Order: sequence, then structure tokens, then C-alpha cells
Amino acid sequence: GAGVSQSPRYKVAKRGQDVALRCDPISGHVSLFWYQQALGQGPEFLTYFQNEAQLDKSGLPSDRFFAERPEGSVSTLKIQRTQQEDSAVYLCASSPRPASNQPQHFGDGTRLSIL
Amino acid sequence: AQSVTQPDIHITVSEGASLELRCNYSYGATPYLFWYVQSPGQGLQLLLKYFSGDTLVQGIKGFEAEFKRSQSSFNLRKPSVHWSDAAEYFCAVGAKNNDMRFGAGTRLTVKP
Repeated sequence: GAGVSQSPRYKVAKRGQDVALRCDPISGHVSLFWYQQALGQGPEFLTYFQNEAQLDKSGLPSDRFFAERPEGSVSTLKIQRTQQEDSAVYLCASSPRPASNQPQHFGDGTRLSIL
Repeated sequence: AQSVTQPDIHITVSEGASLELRCNYSYGATPYLFWYVQSPGQGLQLLLKYFSGDTLVQGIKGFEAEFKRSQSSFNLRKPSVHWSDAAEYFCAVGAKNNDMRFGAGTRLTVKP
């Protein structure tokens, strides 16, 4: 497809389980971002990749959160030992060049619910 | 670090009426400013952006926004709202480190 694709769209997990969320950016896009969007809030920055390099992970809320982009295309956000406060929509975005004035193209997100 | 404030959590307008959504930013240098729209269950779609130059920028779907440095504002406007404009609107500011910060959003309801 032409846009950013995220899977699964919905994920329900029990507290303590590990989850993995996938993002397929637009082909050729260098920059990839992950955001966490709590209910009724704007997206909060989690981490940023330029190709396969994770240049900024300052937004990851704890060491239970881990992201990778090993070949500079598909990215996975992993959350270990999930907690109820991890329930949110996780958005992935990509942009063609590593510049702050580049608009980001967003996927539809993965809605994560922790029971 | 940069930040964005959207003072209005929820706005209701009648179809055909004009619309203005407020956005105030905080950033030490010239900001990169964006407005995005999000429909339920969807990702964010870019409406318009400001980098430099003309302070009045035109976007898609008939939206425009004006950058006012003196007021640290980037308000979104539309002269005549359509029912399909009902959605959540987010203002965002980008910094040179690729870190984009979003406001909390304004939910727009359109009355028939």
C-alpha cells in the first residue's frame, strides 16, 4: 500500500504479558517515529529512527519499552511485562528525509488494551 | 523543549459557520508548525504546515492558519464548516532534533 501500515489494529493482552507492535513505513522513508496516544490526549513522542539507527529514545516511558528497525524499513515496538497504564493507541509515522520540517505520515495506529 | 497549548478542549459550531481553533506554542527559535486532523479510529492527516515566509498558509479542505510570532500563535481557521469536518484537531511544533510535540487536541462538533 501507499501509506504507513500498522498491525495489529487492536491488541488485547493480560497484565504481565509481552506484546509486539509492527509498523511498515512508506517505502523509502528514512525517518520513523513512534508515538503513544492516551485517550483524549495528543500523541506523545516515544522514539525516532533514522534508517536503522535509533537516534532518540528519550520518550520511552520505561525500560519495558523497546523498539527496533534492524533493516531500516519495518519497525517493531515491544512492550515487556505490560501494565494497565500501557493501554493506549500506539501510532507510527514516517517521513522521507531526516529534517524537522518534514511532515510526518501517520498510520492508523494499534489500540492496545491491557486487562 | 518546545511545547504546544490548545486552550479549547471541545468546540461546537453550526454547519456553515466560521471556525477558529487556537494554538499557542513555546519554542526558542523559529518553529516548524503543523495542524493535523484525526477522525475516530484513524491516524493523523496533515492539514497544513508553516516553515517560513508568508505567515498565512493554506491547507487542504479549505483550511488556513496564520503564524503570529508576537503572540506565539498558529490558529487554524475555516470560513464555512462542513459536517464532515467534525473530528479531533491537533497542533504540533517541530524542533531541529526531529522531536515533534503535539497539543492535547480540540474536538470539533458540527451541528446541523
